Amino acid sequence: GAVVSQHPSRVICKSGTSVKIECRSLDFQATTMFWYRQFPKQSLMLMATSNEGSKATYEQGVEKDKFLINHASLTLSTLTVTSAHPEDSSFYICSAARETGLRGYTFGSGTRLTVV
Amino acid sequence: KNEVEQSPQNLTAQEGEFITINCSYSVGISALHWLQQHPGGGIVSLFMLSSGKKKHGRLIATINIQEKHSSLHITASHPRDSAVYICAVDTGNQFYFGTGTSLTVIP
Repeated sequence: GAVVSQHPSRVICKSGTSVKIECRSLDFQATTMFWYRQFPKQSLMLMATSNEGSKATYEQGVEKDKFLINHASLTLSTLTVTSAHPEDSSFYICSAARETGLRGYTFGSGTRLTVV
Repeated sequence: KNEVEQSPQNLTAQEGEFITINCSYSVGISALHWLQQHPGGGIVSLFMLSSGKKKHGRLIATINIQEKHSSLHITASHPRDSAVYICAVDTGNQFYFGTGTSLTVIP
């Protein structure tokens, strides 16, 4: 149990286009999901916290208009990288908070975004 | 079967106790990370290991590449160590995460 599916696993896009990344909790409801970014050889950095039915809370320095987060249901959160630039190339990972049963966090497998 | 298995899932300790969290993995890795996650979701990277042992303050992490096993030790535990500890492996192409160990240290 407690599986999070993240899609796509890899995406290459042209500069200026937008990319949507999906994060789904498959067998539990996640009222809270987190989005992280990982630069090469560095650890994960929290970008934003998304709560179902409300606006996401962004960490300092993260552009909310560039990284659009939608958490419209208890099992799905999406991150859209708008007008992508090469510097947005990174590894993006979501996690969902397990608030009942085995409490903690379940991570998606990540999305490697390359902007060319 | 998960690529990364952590144990125990939950752990309660008295302040001052020595704590060990274990991580076993089944894939080839370029590095293993130990992460600490607080309720707000923010992650602190504790260690990145590719071999041997690292120590930082009261924290010690070891890895045995042949056995595909790593341990995180906390000496003289303190209530502020209460958090979820996550083992993550980097294959070079992808991360795999353990489900975390929820640690509560009681004063």
